[in-house]
Amino acid sequence: SAVISQKPSRDICQRGTSLTIQCQVDSQVTMMFWYRQQPGQSLTLIATANQGSEATYESGFVIDKFPISRPNLTFSTLTVSNMSPEDSSIYLCSVEDHRGNNDEQFFGPGTRLTVL
Amino acid sequence: QKEVEQNSGPLSVPEGAIASLNCTYSDRGSQSFFWYRQYSGKSPELIMSIYSNGDKEDGRFTAQLNKASQYVSLLIRDSQPSDSATYLCAVRMDSNYQLIWGAGTKLIIKP
Repeated sequence: SAVISQKPSRDICQRGTSLTIQCQVDSQVTMMFWYRQQPGQSLTLIATANQGSEATYESGFVIDKFPISRPNLTFSTLTVSNMSPEDSSIYLCSVEDHRGNNDEQFFGPGTRLTVL
Repeated sequence: QKEVEQNSGPLSVPEGAIASLNCTYSDRGSQSFFWYRQYSGKSPELIMSIYSNGDKEDGRFTAQLNKASQYVSLLIRDSQPSDSATYLCAVRMDSNYQLIWGAGTKLIIKP
């Protein structure tokens, strides 16, 4: 499967600031996704990062709060803007890897964000 | 509303026994089914995928799919303490790349 890295692995930020999280894949992938996982909870899809076009956001998530870039097929960034303590969470990048006729999703190591 | 249901647990199983994890889904059009393992503080790791009715075995893991009854299960044979983790079930329809996630079942293997 693709090897996925994320930076930073963790950060502690002040309320009102912004943080950009990077996701790098070692091979070209069509589909890249950004998830949030709050403590003790399952995964919530924030958006699909589309190469060359605007990201597709899920209900409850907006571009002004979570701007996403996807400049090529191996890289994406997610920015968490104007942060509040409610944004404290783990943010996960995932990619879809095509294996024959089947598509499987694999995750990066995650970014643990704490907002004070 | 597409839903995936899992018992949150914790499910406690003695070492060496079979752990059985279950997942039900609401959308009859679902075609792809996945089990992920997530250790505390780590990201989810894909351990099994299944696409057709029946059993699929990989080492100590067996995934079972029954589309008529809309459930998918994961069996872990000869359970080890290292199997202690949260197991997430995810389901996808062919026409929609999005995964619908269950809340996860916490599994504890007791030595």
